[in-house]
Amino acid sequence: SAVISQKPSRDICQRGTSLTIQCQVDSQVTMMFWYRQQPGQSLTLIATANQGSEATYESGFVIDKFPISRPNLTFSTLTVSNMSPEDSSIYLCSVDNYNEQFFGPGTRLTVL
Amino acid sequence: QQQVKQSPQSLIVQKGGISIINCAYENTAFDYFPWYQQFPGKGPALLIAIRPDVSEKKEGRFTISFNKSAKQFSLHIMDSQPGDSATYFCAASQWNTDKLIFGTGTRLQVFP
Repeated sequence: SAVISQKPSRDICQRGTSLTIQCQVDSQVTMMFWYRQQPGQSLTLIATANQGSEATYESGFVIDKFPISRPNLTFSTLTVSNMSPEDSSIYLCSVDNYNEQFFGPGTRLTVL
Repeated sequence: QQQVKQSPQSLIVQKGGISIINCAYENTAFDYFPWYQQFPGKGPALLIAIRPDVSEKKEGRFTISFNKSAKQFSLHIMDSQPGDSATYFCAASQWNTDKLIFGTGTRLQVFP
């Protein structure tokens, strides 16, 4: 398995601001994913981030709102831009390691 | 076509009993079916996974049963323990995308 860390673990932000979430993996991985989990709900894929290419966004998610960087094989960031209370969720990164997906601990975001 | 339907939404089991959670899918291109366990405040942890070439996989107290013709798979937790109390998610993906489609989750409570 892969060991994944995320920063920050939680944050409380004001409406209209942006937050960048970092995801660090202890080994090089080709595919990284960003998910959103709204309170008490299931996980929804936001985008797939491969190193050296633009992230691929799922229906309902756009780059202007959720810009993603993937500068190398062990690191990625997700920015939640121009936040509103509806963006209050847990944001999780995951990695594909030998055809199995492992998740980070998540970032709990509250937007006031 | 992309949905994974999960039931029940919640489950209460006595300690020592068997917990059974069911999932169904429509997309016949899915070829990887993992189960995740999530404790409050934590990211989902990969519990056990199966591919369609086998009908059953067992790891300790956890067993996946897979019925390809019915497009259904289930998680059985034998000798359920209070420490198993968590939310369980089934998921599915296909080989050429690795994107996981999650079920809606089952909140399991095991009482002593």
